[in-house]
Order: sequence, then C-alpha cells, then structure tokens
Amino acid sequence: QVQLQESGPGLVKPSQTLSLTCTVSGGSISTDFYYWSWIRQHPGKGLEWIGYIHYSGSTHYNPSLKSLVTISVDTSKNQFSLKLSSVTAADTAVYYCARGYYDILTGSGAFDIWGQGTMVTVSS
Amino acid sequence: SYELTQPPSVSVSPGQTASITCSGDELGDKYACWYQQKPGQSPVLVIYQDTKRPSGIPERFSGSNSGNTATLTISGTQALDEADYYCQAWDSSTAVFGGGTKVTVL
Repeated sequence: QVQLQESGPGLVKPSQTLSLTCTVSGGSISTDFYYWSWIRQHPGKGLEWIGYIHYSGSTHYNPSLKSLVTISVDTSKNQFSLKLSSVTAADTAVYYCARGYYDILTGSGAFDIWGQGTMVTVSS
Repeated sequence: SYELTQPPSVSVSPGQTASITCSGDELGDKYACWYQQKPGQSPVLVIYQDTKRPSGIPERFSGSNSGNTATLTISGTQALDEADYYCQAWDSSTAVFGGGTKVTVL
C-alpha cells in the first residue's frame, strides 16, 4: 500500500527557508488521478492546507501563503518537496504530506493518505 | 476567502448518536469530506463526497450535506471514536478546513 514519509530539519532559524521532502513508497507519484499536498498543523490548532503539486508539475497554493511557498516534484525519486521562505515563529507546526485527488469540474476531492507528520520549530 | 465553521466541542454518551456540523456559504453546492484525528496521530479520512465511506471505515460513520451545512453523524458512538474531527471542502481549487470539533465520549 502507498505510504508517505516526511523528512527534513526539525529546527529552522527565523528568516531562513524551511525545506521538507515527502517520499512516496508502495506506488508511483506519476499518476494522473492524484495530487500531492502539504498540510500543516500549528501546535494545538487545526489543519491548514499549504498547496499541491501534480506529477506533471502543475501547482496550486493557498493564497495566504502563495508568495512564500514553492512545491516541486522529482518523479525519478518518487518525491515531492516543500520550500517555505522567510519563516517566522508562526511557521512552527507539524507538517504533513498527503495524497489527494481533486476534480476541478465537480469540486470533489479529499486527502486519503497522510504521512506521519514532522514537527518543525522556527527558533534562533 | 472561504470559511468553514465547526463547533469546538461535542459530548456524547457511549452508544448514542453524535452529530458534528460544518457550516459554510452554500456548502451544499460543494462536496464535503471529514477527517478523524486522534492525539499524536495523522488525520484519517472517514467521509468523502459528502456521504461516502472509504474502505475500512465503520458503517456507524455517515455524512450529509445540504444548504449551508454538512453533518458528520456517528451512530452508536464508541469510546474509540473520541477524537478531533475536521471538515474540508474545496473552493476555487483551494482546500479549506474547518477549525475542528473535539468529540468527547462521556
């Protein structure tokens, strides 16, 4: 079965760039049907969608984070990555990668497989 | 930006029915889904496309969506259903989550 695993530094200094990678195992990232997302959860708070990428390279970001976020895909490694620039303490959160589907015509979509999440703390 | 509103908490007795609401402007014209998250764990999809259950999700979980409100219903609630529940929908290709509802089984 498909599994997702996040990796990356657990501590990032303010104003630097947060970089995380999600490795997909048990299946190919290069499937038309699925989009690959990053979602974060601030401590004790709810879920916030950051953005998604399709294996073709097509992306869409949360408008509230768009200017700071880049999501990329490496199909040869079956991975996709997140870069969040100019981080502050407000970016301290658990970051999840997730597999999802989204039908732009019907508006149907959901995240059916999630990674275990990785805690990232922004502190000097 | 689009917003989804959930009650912060819902309490239910074992064996009873828990109903969790999710409100948003014309939400009934969109598809809603629901996630269960237990402490220290990743969210799990329990309902998608308003009413559908993924494989492995018990039949006691059901969903509906009409007007401005989507509802997750847990029938015959069990102690293991105690968790946070989040609704989610798409608006202009952006995924939006509700603030979450903590379900306590008393």
